[in-house]
Amino acid sequence: QSVLAQPPSVSGAPGQRVTISCTGSRSNIGAGYDVHWYQQLPGTAPKLLIYDSTFRPSGVPDRFSGSKSGTSASLAISGLQAEDEADYYCQSYDSSLRSALFGGGTKLTVL
Amino acid sequence: QLQLQESGPGLVKASETLSLTCSVSGGSISSSDYYWAWVRQPPGKGLEWITCISYGVNTYYNPSLTSRLSVSVDTSKNQFSVKLSSVTAADTGVYYCARRNRGSRNGYEDYWGQGTLVTVSS
Repeated sequence: QSVLAQPPSVSGAPGQRVTISCTGSRSNIGAGYDVHWYQQLPGTAPKLLIYDSTFRPSGVPDRFSGSKSGTSASLAISGLQAEDEADYYCQSYDSSLRSALFGGGTKLTVL
Repeated sequence: QLQLQESGPGLVKASETLSLTCSVSGGSISSSDYYWAWVRQPPGKGLEWITCISYGVNTYYNPSLTSRLSVSVDTSKNQFSVKLSSVTAADTGVYYCARRNRGSRNGYEDYWGQGTLVTVSS
């Protein structure tokens, strides 16, 4: 069981909007630490998608957005496209573990 | 454009030490603005953050691996390295090196190498 819990899978049809949750606790997200999101296409290295909870690196489409509230964070993908089919990971820092850590990952399937 | 490239043996015997090096091009590893990190991924599983090191040799380790980990920087070669001792089959996976940005409060990996598969054999 990951310290940062993500749903194992989500799915949506092209054009739809999906959200992926990342649930933590008072020692990580709830302590005010930022959440970062990564996209990993099959057979490739992870790619930074969202940093500092809500910011997009240059080149990331504005279809991707991040939010954070309390002990949870979410990644929203609007206007779903076939190329969005990938694994998505959240990342934060845990003050009890004193370490950065990733969520377990969520597989997005575009129907 | 910053580029990172992992190198090292693809096969390591159980109980021995895994050693990997990351070569950085397109930027200086001596920058105080960044850390340099390692992340791994067992086959078919999720990402695991391992460690990072700064130019000033501040190091941070995944607490579950601390006793077996060592990380270093070679500024003359613009490289950083990781050593993981007493490996077992559970250490098999793809190892990525990455640049770690400090972030506004906690860091994130913004540039990644392509990854290298390390298999631990018995």
